[in-house]
Amino acid sequence: DQQVKQNSPSLSVQEGRISILNCDYTNSMFDYFLWYKKYPAEGPTFLISISSIKDKNEDGRFTVFLNKSAKHLSLHIVPSQPGDSAVYFCAAKLGNEKLTFGTGTRLTIIP
Amino acid sequence: NAGVMQNPRHLVRRRGQEARLRCSPMKGHSHVYWYRQLPEEGLKFMVYLQKENIIDESGMPKERFSAEFPKEGPSILRIQQVVRGDSAAYFCASSLGGATSEQYFGPGTRLTVT
Repeated sequence: DQQVKQNSPSLSVQEGRISILNCDYTNSMFDYFLWYKKYPAEGPTFLISISSIKDKNEDGRFTVFLNKSAKHLSLHIVPSQPGDSAVYFCAAKLGNEKLTFGTGTRLTIIP
Repeated sequence: NAGVMQNPRHLVRRRGQEARLRCSPMKGHSHVYWYRQLPEEGLKFMVYLQKENIIDESGMPKERFSAEFPKEGPSILRIQQVVRGDSAAYFCASSLGGATSEQYFGPGTRLTVT
């Protein structure tokens, strides 16, 4: 049972434009959501997070939006840069527990 | 400020041998999590430990796999009698604990079973 889903396996965006990565979840008990970026042969790098009591969190070029009624979150990257090319994972957790990951979206920024 | 350390980075074992994967959490972190990434898949939770205690091992295969986080030293994930299906990247993460604490990941150990 895939509780966290990323339905787009890949996404290509022109440099300088906005990248929007989407994530859906099924467990309404999740109370904290995170986005990680991963390069090949490296561990995931934490990007940004959001608590379920908020609907938006911003950090530099990265903004995460949470729509609890739709059980949907998205990561916006603007402007997109070549170094943003990587696999992006969304993850969710309940309290102090394990992370449940989506299957990832491979983002390619086209120069 | 060193991040999460894992060793070895690459490990090759023949079927039936044992694999030991080590993880040193970030300084000040007492919560350790192990995840596994099979080829072309996302990361799957295996086990969550605090010092000397296993908190959640619901993602661990029932046989051949064990984990510990002793009072002193790194956390160890041990796989006995490895099989080809154990070939994967194993990632360790650590956190301060708490509902809003982020988990920080190590570089992973890539296990290849021949």
